[in-house]
Amino acid sequence: QLQLQESGPGLVKPSETLSLTCAVSGGSISSSTYYWGWIRQPPGKGLEWIGSIYYSGNSYYNPSLKSRVTISVDTSKNQFSLKLNSVTAADTAVYYCARGLYFEWYIDYWGQGTLVTVSS
Amino acid sequence: SSELTQDPAVSVALGQTVRITCQGDSLRTYNASWYQQKPGQAPALVIYGKNNRPSGIPDRFSGSSSGNTASLTITGAQAEDEADYYCNSRDSSGNHPFGGGTKLTVL
Repeated sequence: QLQLQESGPGLVKPSETLSLTCAVSGGSISSSTYYWGWIRQPPGKGLEWIGSIYYSGNSYYNPSLKSRVTISVDTSKNQFSLKLNSVTAADTAVYYCARGLYFEWYIDYWGQGTLVTVSS
Repeated sequence: SSELTQDPAVSVALGQTVRITCQGDSLRTYNASWYQQKPGQAPALVIYGKNNRPSGIPDRFSGSSSGNTASLTITGAQAEDEADYYCNSRDSSGNHPFGGGTKLTVL
């Protein structure tokens, strides 16, 4: 059974960089069958796709966040990461990591989510 | 455009049928997937592809699509189906937008 576990600081100061890691267990992050992504949900609001990275190394980002986001994969640690620069209070949200099926384009596994608050 | 549009809220009487819709240009090319989210929980996949259910999802959940509109239908809604529902798809630019979500109330 695949498991995804987000980790990282729960509190980030405005203008700093939010960094989260998603540890993958029960499956290989190197499989060409899947893509890996980050989704967030501000308190009381809907889901927002942040970005995805494919086996090929190609990454795609939400146009509204593209200038501030980087998603990368570390195959040696079987994990992938999110970096979001220059955060503001509007970036306060529950951040989810997820696995999707390549070519089918749906998410079959989600992490439990981690709340990141941006505040001084 | 990669936007997906959903009605913010829908209600259904217990045991009746309800359809939740998702509109977007990308749906003419790519299938929608549907996710159920209950308070305090991560979203969970309920429908993917043309009309496929993951293991454990009751067969009262079904999906369909026509033109730029995808639909999630719950036939015989139960109290436990009360939740937020989100559609998701891919577009030609590689984006994976979500719809704004539909809050389903079972009366």
